[in-house]
Amino acid sequence: GENVEQHPSTLSVQEGDSAVIKCTYSDSASNYFPWYKQELGKGPQLIIDIRSNVGEKKDQRIAVTLNKTAKHFSLHITETQPEDSAVYFCAASTNQAGTALIFGKGTTLSVSS
Amino acid sequence: DTEVTQTPKHLVMGMTNKKSLKCEQHMGHRAMYWYKQKAKKPPELMFVYSYEKLSINESVPSRFSPECPNSSLLNLHLHALQPEDSALYLCASSQDSWQPQHFGDGTRLSIL
Repeated sequence: GENVEQHPSTLSVQEGDSAVIKCTYSDSASNYFPWYKQELGKGPQLIIDIRSNVGEKKDQRIAVTLNKTAKHFSLHITETQPEDSAVYFCAASTNQAGTALIFGKGTTLSVSS
Repeated sequence: DTEVTQTPKHLVMGMTNKKSLKCEQHMGHRAMYWYKQKAKKPPELMFVYSYEKLSINESVPSRFSPECPNSSLLNLHLHALQPEDSALYLCASSQDSWQPQHFGDGTRLSIL
């Protein structure tokens, strides 16, 4: 079955710096890769996703890149702000009916001002 | 605010109690999910309902019993739970079972 590895497990940056979180997946059939942000006491919030027919997707300060050959995808956050502090999860799925999202173990991002 | 509403937000119950968790969405989504999340861990899938029919049961113990009364509602009935079942229970929905999933804020369950 699918296995998703996520690194680093913790990441501390100064406000205004960039943050990069990386994930690798094992199942070449996976074709859908969402990223979730989870703040304390809240459920995971979908912040960006990418499908395997696209190499990069950007939404304001957040971007995701996908390398299908190497089976890895990354989340890039630019101009970080204290409110970006949260746990970030990557996930992978074959995106077919009856299949599940497989999550990475999560990255705790701390942005200090 | 999330568009997936879960009640109650917190629940404390004894091992012999019976309780239910409720999840509601009014986005017209046809797939709904239950996840269990332990502290500092990712969500783990428990059940998937697609068009009000159970499509995935990830070998969950029978003390957890899901129910989908209609396309907007999802319940999780709890009976004879164990202390290790204490966790955050998350509900999610998606337009279809291969579309992006949107989560509620969960029910924090504590088993005494």
